[in-house]
Amino acid sequence: EPEVTQTPSHQVTQMGQEVILRCVPISNHLYFYWYRQILGQKVEFLVSFYNNEISEKSEIFDDQFSVERPDGSNFTLKIRSTKLEDSAMYFCASSEGGGWGRQETQYFGPGTRLLVL
Amino acid sequence: RKEVEQDPGPFNVPEGATVAFNCTYSNSASQSFFWYRQDCRKEPKLLMSVYSSGNEDGRFTAQLNRASQYISLLIRDSKLSDSATYLCVVRKAGTALIFGKGTTLSVSS
Repeated sequence: EPEVTQTPSHQVTQMGQEVILRCVPISNHLYFYWYRQILGQKVEFLVSFYNNEISEKSEIFDDQFSVERPDGSNFTLKIRSTKLEDSAMYFCASSEGGGWGRQETQYFGPGTRLLVL
Repeated sequence: RKEVEQDPGPFNVPEGATVAFNCTYSNSASQSFFWYRQDCRKEPKLLMSVYSSGNEDGRFTAQLNRASQYISLLIRDSKLSDSATYLCVVRKAGTALIFGKGTTLSVSS
């Protein structure tokens, strides 16, 4: 069964450093997403991406964050200058379509656990 | 008011029990509804979509009441492997999924 993959599984960084989280969405999917989950909290939407541009973003996704699809398979989330409060599990997800019905089902990767010290 | 609210539990039930989870959502324009399951420190996995007419998948039954903005999940004949956190999830007009904090279920033998 196709699945979303993410690397690395864990990342530890110093406050102020840049981090890049990587994702390989399911191959025939066209919509890509990033979510985060702070320990003990709910899953929160960050951004969705379609046709090489951001289609929707939340208030959390400020100028410190950026996304990119550098090639035909990878989808990345960059945090320019990490803060302590960026410590969380970051999930990538993908879906065939963005509309209604089976196509909109979002499949999540296993996550990258980011710890900012 | 939170966008998606769930009773956090935990629900502790014996194997074979029937358990029901409820969820309310605040935005009446919400378009799609789901139950996801999340095991400890793992990714959310789709359990089932929820349709207006209600739907069933094996031991799991989901109901949606748009007028009351209420979603439910019923699990019959609980198994040990059902122990997890159940996430009520709503999609509004865009693509973003809005998650509840989850209801924790623990099934014991």
